[in-house]
Amino acid sequence: GIQVEQSPPDLILQEGANSTLRCNFSDSVNNLQWFHQNPWGQLINLFYIPSGTKQNGRLSATTVATERYSLLYISSSQTTDSGVYFCAVGDEKLTFGTGTRLTIIP
Amino acid sequence: GAVVSQHPSWVICKSGTSVKIECRSLDFQATTMFWYRQFPKQSLMLMATSNEGSKATYEQGVEKDKFLINHASLTLSTLTVTSAHPEDSSFYICSASTSNTGELFFGEGSRLTVL
Repeated sequence: GIQVEQSPPDLILQEGANSTLRCNFSDSVNNLQWFHQNPWGQLINLFYIPSGTKQNGRLSATTVATERYSLLYISSSQTTDSGVYFCAVGDEKLTFGTGTRLTIIP
Repeated sequence: GAVVSQHPSWVICKSGTSVKIECRSLDFQATTMFWYRQFPKQSLMLMATSNEGSKATYEQGVEKDKFLINHASLTLSTLTVTSAHPEDSSFYICSASTSNTGELFFGEGSRLTVL
């Protein structure tokens, strides 16, 4: 099956800092999504981005499908950004990456 | 975005009993839903694909007789954990996609604790 690796596994930053999270995947896919898992476990949809670049406020994402990676950018981090970020890839069904645990310190 | 709802959010049961979890698409019809499981501090693992009106498709290593899936309507899929044991304690989360984009939306998840 498809392999999905995320880096870094853990990231601790001061409030206000910027960060870049990476997602590498092993095969061509038609679907790539980024999620933020909140402390209660709910997955919040951030981006549906099988290719190209999208922005939503302080967050943006870029997927280079031909090179099989995607990047999630978080600017001016806030403590509420803390949590686990997952990318998930596939066609109809998604395979989740290993996740990046982000901790923002006040 | 589309709304997917799960019930119950939390359930505690005794070993040997069965537990049913419901997954509903509230504002769209879903011919296919997906069930995932997440153990503490781990990623989500796909358990099965639920197909409306037909049998579910299970991922390798997932016991179909233990995790019964029923998708009887276009807005409801149920997962029944039969004869639950403590090792079945986990976070179960379902998802579905709208037909136009393929983007998946997830329910709130159901945390199962088996004593």
